[in-house]
Amino acid sequence: EVQLVQSGPEVKKPGESLKISCKGSGYSFSDYWTGWVRQMPGKGLEWMGIILPRDADTRYSPSFRGQVTMSADESISTAYLQWSSLGASDTAMYYCARLRGVISRDFYDGMDVWGQGTTVTVSS
Amino acid sequence: DIVMTQSPLSLPVTPGEPASMSCRSSQSLLHRNANNYLDWYLQRPGQSPQLLIYLGSNRASGVPDRFSGSGSGTDFTLKISRVEAEDVGVYFCMQALQTPYTFGQGTKLEIK
Repeated sequence: EVQLVQSGPEVKKPGESLKISCKGSGYSFSDYWTGWVRQMPGKGLEWMGIILPRDADTRYSPSFRGQVTMSADESISTAYLQWSSLGASDTAMYYCARLRGVISRDFYDGMDVWGQGTTVTVSS
Repeated sequence: DIVMTQSPLSLPVTPGEPASMSCRSSQSLLHRNANNYLDWYLQRPGQSPQLLIYLGSNRASGVPDRFSGSGSGTDFTLKISRVEAEDVGVYFCMQALQTPYTFGQGTKLEIK
């Protein structure tokens, strides 16, 4: 079964650092991009960026560039999203999803598998 | 960035009746390979989003054929031929023509 399993909920204080994870299984993790999507409480979906584990090619949304860092360890089929200094506005649900065909456009077939989401709460 | 605009924001539907929602982009999503890079996703209450339609009109694996996507360029439509109770949730369109990919604000489908 193809799936993405994300790390558990986090409660942090402003200024703290955080790294959440997304582990893929049932497919060739290195050959698919992993995307990250934010959903603030009661709001819509925001595309944060994507990373290709095979070569660490990363594309950030300008809205999130410099605010978060995406990384991946293909040896353990895991992608990461990290913050060096959290703020209250980072409180949200974060989803990972897989996709392909970002460069070879003929292979694009949507963000077809999603993780269950990681809730991040930042509060003093 | 490409701006995605969905309408209506709220869509009350009687079970068994059809439903239709719109998504418009601020620039054409038609690639030179003739594909429109427009997806539809459904987020049921308390769940992760799921892919319904990719490249404007292709149903994802396991998606019932009562869902259909159409459109080209800047105007796209998602239709449900006969709404069922399990279709309740928020429908998002997303453009994948160029990064950053961007989502519409969502259409909330509810049962009358």
